[in-house]
Amino acid sequence: ETGVTQSPTHLIKTRGQQVTLRCSSQSGHNTVSWYQQALGQGPQFIFQYYREEENGRGNFPPRFSGLQFPNYSSELNVNALELDDSALYLCASSLDGRGDYGYTFGSGTRLTVV
Amino acid sequence: SQQGEEDPQALSIQEGENATMNCSYKTSINNLQWYRQNSGRGLVHLILIRSNEREKHSGRLRVTLDTSKKSSSLLITASRAADTASYFCATDGQAGTALIFGKGTTLSVSS
Repeated sequence: ETGVTQSPTHLIKTRGQQVTLRCSSQSGHNTVSWYQQALGQGPQFIFQYYREEENGRGNFPPRFSGLQFPNYSSELNVNALELDDSALYLCASSLDGRGDYGYTFGSGTRLTVV
Repeated sequence: SQQGEEDPQALSIQEGENATMNCSYKTSINNLQWYRQNSGRGLVHLILIRSNEREKHSGRLRVTLDTSKKSSSLLITASRAADTASYFCATDGQAGTALIFGKGTTLSVSS
C-alpha cells in the first residue's frame, strides 16, 4: 500500500509567476485535501476534492485552484504568486469526504516565492 | 482561523518521562485528531477520537476528550528521543470536509 506522494519536494518561484503542485493519493482513497502551512503555524485548509468535485473550500482567494483526476490524484495551482504564498503545501487523502477515519498526509512541497 | 489551541507551546523533558499536551477548541465536533510533524515535513496521523468517546489508547499514547469543556489531552508515556516533534490537534469543520489545526506543541525529548 503506497502512501501520499507529493511533487516536487522544493520549488523556488518569482513573484507573479504561476505554480502547479501535484499529489498522488493513497491507494483506495477518493478524497484529497490541500493545506498551506506557514512557518511556525498549523496547517490551514485550502480546499478538498471528493470524486473529482470540489467539496469544501477555506478562506483562500480564487487564484488558488485545484483539480482531481479520475485516478484521484490532484493538482494545486496558484496564480500570480505573492511573497506570502511561501509555505509548506501539504496534501492529504482520506477514505471518504468527511475524514471520519483520519487523513494520510504527504511530505509536502516547500514553496519559496522570491 | 484556527479552532484548536494547544498548550503548552513548547515542552522539554527527559527520556523516560511522560509528556502531556492539551488542546482546546471552540465549536462542536464530530471527532478530534492528533498529528505529529517532524522537522516541518508531513504530518503523521496518531489517533482519532470521536465525540461520543472519552478516552482512547494506542501504544504509548493516551487521548482524552471532554466535549463539555471542549478540550482534549494527549499523553505520551515513557518518552523517547524519537518522540521529538511538533504535535497538533485538529478538529473537523465545515460539515466535516476540513481539518482545523491549532498552532501545535513542540516537544523536545533529551537523552
